[in-house]
Amino acid sequence: NAGVTQTPKFQVLKTGQSMTLQCAQDMNHEYMSWYRQDPGMGLRLIHYSVGAGITDQGEVPNGYNVSRSTTEDFPLRLLSAAPSQTSVYFCASSSPGSPHTEAFFGQGTRLTVV
Amino acid sequence: ELKVEQNPLFLSMQEGKNYTIYCNYSTTSDRLYWYRQDPGKSLESLFVLLSNGAVKQEGRLMASLDTKARLSTLHITAAVHDLSATYFCAVDMPAGGTSYGKLTFGQGTILTVHP
Repeated sequence: NAGVTQTPKFQVLKTGQSMTLQCAQDMNHEYMSWYRQDPGMGLRLIHYSVGAGITDQGEVPNGYNVSRSTTEDFPLRLLSAAPSQTSVYFCASSSPGSPHTEAFFGQGTRLTVV
Repeated sequence: ELKVEQNPLFLSMQEGKNYTIYCNYSTTSDRLYWYRQDPGKSLESLFVLLSNGAVKQEGRLMASLDTKARLSTLHITAAVHDLSATYFCAVDMPAGGTSYGKLTFGQGTILTVHP
């Protein structure tokens, strides 16, 4: 039972480079979201999706793009990496109407921008 | 805008002692979560609190929710070293609203349990 799978686990980028963080879930969850975790700030929502073809911005969306063409996948694109995007990124999925409703998180991607 | 605040942010405890972590949030909500995170790891769901007065217990941890006070507590009983981790509370949505899986997190409480 894979749950939420993120790749890569670690990545080093140079300023100005672009890349895509991958996220896939096998639980048929409608809701998926991306968070970044920085020391002392908890996790902050970047973008979220309530279903295939539907995405919206969260609290800190600048510099990131998302799309959701399938229920399973929700990639996060960094358009032009900046040192301020050095962080740990978590993808999460959840299902509306479930008795427990809690979000399930991937293992995270540790990104360093130099 | 929903804000979630935890305190304390750092907690150093001796084994065997009791302590409480507090989670305050700014907008009425009837859904609150507690997560645990070990260093370098993902978030593990501990408790889901879905209504006013909800109380859940698992081992040495007990969580409660008071929606009127906009307060949740995570109580640690007779702490052991294995409980050392970072604990987050997160709020899902305004009361009576629709959940879109959008969580607002507290800053996290770094708990260290010493022998």
